[in-house]
Amino acid sequence: GAGVSQSPSNKVTEKGKDVELRCDPISGHTALYWYRQSLGQGLEFLIYFQGNSAPDKSGLPSDRFSAERTGGSVSTLTIQRTQQEDSAVYLCASSWDSGRSVEQFFGPGTRLTVL
Amino acid sequence: AQSVTQLGSHVSVSEGALVLLRCNYSSSVPPYLFWYVQYPNQGLQLLLKYTTGATLVKGINGFEAEFKKSETSFHLTKPSAHMSDAAEYFCAVSGYKAAGNKLTFGGGTRVLVKP
Repeated sequence: GAGVSQSPSNKVTEKGKDVELRCDPISGHTALYWYRQSLGQGLEFLIYFQGNSAPDKSGLPSDRFSAERTGGSVSTLTIQRTQQEDSAVYLCASSWDSGRSVEQFFGPGTRLTVL
Repeated sequence: AQSVTQLGSHVSVSEGALVLLRCNYSSSVPPYLFWYVQYPNQGLQLLLKYTTGATLVKGINGFEAEFKKSETSFHLTKPSAHMSDAAEYFCAVSGYKAAGNKLTFGGGTRVLVKP
């Protein structure tokens, strides 16, 4: 079956522009996570969604970052007024639920470059 | 709170030699521990995980790891390196169950395999 897909694979934008990154999780997975991978900060948790529960936004670095998950499936991560420090690879992952032992399946990521 | 430390950001091994990647964690609750591998321009793939029970865990591609509570360690080993093992490896610990399965990652270790 299909794995987690993300689009676009690469995005180059100018400082101050807004960007939207998309994640299509594995069908049937109820939990969805966003992580950021950057040279300076390594791999960081951003936000996660579990079913109809309120999302855990504790990892979002600023109010310029937001995410939504429509219909319990596709998720969009939006970064407003992008800054150069937002340049990173944004990884999406999904799992059957949010249990601690459950494997997360990762997508290939979106590489964001802010000029 | 959890944290993960991977000793050595780069490791070079000869083909056929032992691979040893070190991981130490800090957790205020019983940890669930993971090793992920990342090949260039790809997402993360789970190698193995420890939840409960047997402390020696076997994973894919001949890798294994041993959970040592007294040493707060979860080192990854492979008896004989292959060229295909060249990749970056991440150790991770999962969050509190009530807070979902947020992963906290170590800084990663990039493995170079010499012929």
